[in-house]
Parts: sequence; structure tokens; C-alpha cells
Amino acid sequence: EVQLVESGGGLVQPGGSLKLSCAVSGATFRDSAMHWVRQASGKGLEWVGRIRSRLNDYETAYTAAARGRFTISRDDSKNTAYLQMNSLKTEDTAMYYCTRLSGTKGLDYWGQGALVTVSS
Amino acid sequence: DIQMIQSPSTLSASVGDRVTITCRASQSISVWLAWYQQKPGNAPKVLIYKTSSLENGVPSRFSGSGSGTEFTLTISSLQPDDFATYYCQQYNSYPYSFGQGTKVEIK
Repeated sequence: EVQLVESGGGLVQPGGSLKLSCAVSGATFRDSAMHWVRQASGKGLEWVGRIRSRLNDYETAYTAAARGRFTISRDDSKNTAYLQMNSLKTEDTAMYYCTRLSGTKGLDYWGQGALVTVSS
Repeated sequence: DIQMIQSPSTLSASVGDRVTITCRASQSISVWLAWYQQKPGNAPKVLIYKTSSLENGVPSRFSGSGSGTEFTLTISSLQPDDFATYYCQQYNSYPYSFGQGTKVEIK
């Protein structure tokens, strides 16, 4: 069974930083593109960014709101993806999900989410 | 960037009803559209991918159709477990984008 487990969420002040982790088990992590999606309370889903596999040179892509402040990375030896968030704003407050893109099948596995609260 | 517009935002229906949700893309996304179901407190779950392919384990009452810019999700006979929020998502080009969601409520 494929499992994705996020960690690292919490309360941070505006302007601060936080790093989320996503540990993957039960799947060939190194071949998977890993994505991050967020959801503010009571709102819809917002795609944040993704990192491709080593075969695709670990290429990253981000939404405009994340570009320049957020960095997605991965450690294939640990089957873990990361979301480094800097210069956090109150509007970044959300549940952050890591999810896997399965070829043509869309985002097929999701973690349970990590709650990030940006507040003074 | 591609905008995804879902309609309606909220839908009230009864068990047994046929339900259709529409998703429109601001430009062509070919067939690269997925539908997700989300229940309160849970992560989304993929139902349909590549416009019309049913994910393993998803009941056959769910179906998808469309191409280009117009897509639909149909539930042929609404069941109690289907009351949830549904999202479309394009994965044709970056940045990927979701529709704003359709909440299916009990009538």
C-alpha cells in the first residue's frame, strides 16, 4: 500500500520560514513526480508546485504565489520530498498536501496534510 | 495560466438522482482532466483521470466525458456516500489548476 505522510506543519510568524516533509512508502519514489497542493480552511484546492524525478533532472515548477519564496526538493535515498517555505504571509495559512503524479492518471495518492498557520 | 470554471458551485440532490457537474477550461487541455472527490477532514481522492478513465475501485456510477475545453462528471444514481465536494483539475500544462469545487448536498 502506498502511503504519504507529511510532517513539519505548525504556527509561524509572518516573514518566517517552515519546512514540510513528505515521506513516501510502498511506491517507487525515485520514479515519481511529487506535487504539493494547499487548501485554506473552507476554500478550494490550490496547486503549489512539483518536482520531477532524477530522470527529468529534478525539474521544478511553481505557481506564481509560490515562486521565489517556496522551494521543493527531494531526497531519493530517504523517499522524502520537501517544501521549504520562506517569507511566509498570512495568506499562506492552509493545509498542505503532498501528492504523487502517476503518469497519465493524475494525482493518485495523497498524504493526510500538514497544517501551516501564519499568524503573529 | 489556464483557468478552470466549475458549475454549479452547489448542487442539492436526492439519493437516486442523476447528477452532472460541468468544468470549463479557459483554453484547450486536450483530455488531461481529472476529477476528485473530497469529504470534510479528508484529502482529495481521484475518481476520474484523462477525462473518462475510472480510477481503480471507483464505482461505475461515476463517469466523465468531454475534450478540449468542456468536461462533465456524471453520477448516474446518487448514493449517500457521494455527498461531498468535487473538483476538476487540468494537468495539461503548468501551473496545474483546479476548479473552485462543487458541493453536492442532500436535498
